[in-house]
Amino acid sequence: AQSVTQPDIHITVSEGASLELRCNYSYGATPYLFWYVQSPGQGLQLLLKYFSGDTLVQGIKGFEAEFKRSQSSFNLRKPSVHWSDAAEYFCAVAPYNTDKLIFGTGTRLQVFP
Amino acid sequence: DTAVSQTPKYLVTQMGNDKSIKCEQNLGHDTMYWYKQDSKKFLKIMFSYNNKELIINETVPNRFSPKSPDKAHLNLHINSLELGDSAVYFCASSQDWDTSGNEQFFGPGTRLTVL
Repeated sequence: AQSVTQPDIHITVSEGASLELRCNYSYGATPYLFWYVQSPGQGLQLLLKYFSGDTLVQGIKGFEAEFKRSQSSFNLRKPSVHWSDAAEYFCAVAPYNTDKLIFGTGTRLQVFP
Repeated sequence: DTAVSQTPKYLVTQMGNDKSIKCEQNLGHDTMYWYKQDSKKFLKIMFSYNNKELIINETVPNRFSPKSPDKAHLNLHINSLELGDSAVYFCASSQDWDTSGNEQFFGPGTRLTVL
């Protein structure tokens, strides 16, 4: 069965520092991979997605993610974090030919000034 | 303009009651979803409708009954509410079902509290 693991429940960084949020997936074929962000009290917003092609994907708000098949990973990165990036981040996988999203448990990001 | 809207935003009710949550999208999408987010923030899909037809039913108790009067609306009715139903319920929509990896647009959520 497909699954997504986000090993870090909570991460704290200083504003301006770099960020990497980890995501590992379990799926038999090449999955469709997503990162969503949930600001407090809000719904989810898509940051970026990967289907095929270039393994480094650029998203909104200065985020990028790299797909590594050998490690079954799709880690999210940002070179310099802003205080407004404080939120919950969810990695998700969708099996081929469906839009059924399977979410990880999320990583809560806190940003200190 | 709100793309995906849900009403109500908050819902507090007693065990055993029946309640409904409404969802509307003005994006012209064919597919709509209901997700449940529990107290630990875990998100799980409950239902998916494509052009008013049920596509996904993820072993949700039959106390939960989705209804799609048209493809812009997907409502969720819950009978005989239980304490464990307390959660945030998110509605979402996407362009269609056949093409993989469509972006899903989420509503702001409905926080249901069962006392």
